[in-house]
Amino acid sequence: DTEVTQTPKHLVMGMTNKKSLKCEQHMGHRAMYWYKQKAKKPPELMFVYSYEKLSINESVPSRFSPECPNSSLLNLHLHALQPEDSALYLCASSRQTGSTEAFFGQGTRLTVV
Amino acid sequence: DAKTTQPPSMDCAEGRAANLPCNHSTISGNEYVYWYRQIHSQGPQYIIHGLKNNETNEMASLIITEDRKSSTLILPHATLRDTAVYYCIVRRYNNNDMRFGAGTRLTVKP
Repeated sequence: DTEVTQTPKHLVMGMTNKKSLKCEQHMGHRAMYWYKQKAKKPPELMFVYSYEKLSINESVPSRFSPECPNSSLLNLHLHALQPEDSALYLCASSRQTGSTEAFFGQGTRLTVV
Repeated sequence: DAKTTQPPSMDCAEGRAANLPCNHSTISGNEYVYWYRQIHSQGPQYIIHGLKNNETNEMASLIITEDRKSSTLILPHATLRDTAVYYCIVRRYNNNDMRFGAGTRLTVKP
């Protein structure tokens, strides 16, 4: 199984809502990533978890709150988002060590209204 | 990690080889070159990676110059399904800091 599964595929939320994005992998990978991608732009790194601990936070606003409850799951909790946060949110995973490729999910298309 | 420079767009005729260049002149000795592609509205897909030797797999070949300051991704027989944005990424061994540059939009034409 070389899949990274993201749910939901699409999400529309109001600026006062709280929602969560979910990412799951069963490849035994111990590094997991969140990226944000705006239209016609490359993915931007947001967070990296290594062995369930946050190792990289790219100065992301606190309205985005990541969580890694176990080695297979990665969540992104969303609260009080702005319309400019509308984007494709991508999750990825990789082995923690070595020269290894990352596997990406298909993303969650988020629209903030 | 070293930065990369790629042409913003390229065209290729179907059935011909697509050669996508990447400049990484500040690459250091423990940094690998990775290539990913992203087909419209999908997650990026790993293609190939290498350190200094040329590499080949079922998808593509990677040619790295001897000084490692540039590389070329070769899709030997491009098909319409290869139309995508191709990203060249330089990343240190054992490092999870994986950042994308602007990439090259490859259009394969019939």
